[in-house]
Amino acid sequence: KAGVTQTPRYLIKTRGQQVTLSCSPISGHRSVSWYQQTPGQGLQFLFEYFSETQRNKGNFPGRFSGRQFSNSRSEMNVSTLELGDSALYLCASSLAGGTGGAMDFGPGTRLTVT
Amino acid sequence: DQQVKQNSPSLSVQEGRISILNCDYTNSMFDYFLWYKKYPAEGPTFLISISSIKDKNEDGRFTVFLNKSAKHLSLHIVPSQPGDSAVYFCAASLRSGNTPLVFGKGTRLSVIA
Repeated sequence: KAGVTQTPRYLIKTRGQQVTLSCSPISGHRSVSWYQQTPGQGLQFLFEYFSETQRNKGNFPGRFSGRQFSNSRSEMNVSTLELGDSALYLCASSLAGGTGGAMDFGPGTRLTVT
Repeated sequence: DQQVKQNSPSLSVQEGRISILNCDYTNSMFDYFLWYKKYPAEGPTFLISISSIKDKNEDGRFTVFLNKSAKHLSLHIVPSQPGDSAVYFCAASLRSGNTPLVFGKGTRLSVIA
């Protein structure tokens, strides 16, 4: 089966700009979760979408937002970028989301904010 | 407050020996635990899981042990191989609700040939 795909893989943005990252889940998976990975903090949960609805949200500021489309593809947006937003952004999909089983992760988008 | 802790940032083991990676959690409500492995430039991949109704789960060279009273789990890799060199993340969740996985910060395992 085709895995979770994320685009772009690498991105360089300037402080104050905004960015949109895209995630295509495994076919049939309806839940998409986003995580931020930084060297000091590990994987931190951003939000989860299931059937186009945000079902869970992590402790991130409102500059971080997301959405899910009817085909389960998801996007996350970060506005007014800060240097501290530099991280690897990981998308994961699963059939039902929550804790119904393990999630499949994409390769991530490496965002660098200068 | 970090609910899942991996106190060893790194671990080096010789090829053929046992690797033991540890994880502690603080939320006694967690009832499902997973281990993920991550290579550089790739996303994490699921390795093995355990439900709180068990104290051990085995899959080939990988065994996860759960000690609920100590709120501690460990991943044993026997025998360790150079290809096992990666970052290992412990994760925990509440299976009864639609709650997200909570991850530890990871342990970098280096298996030396």
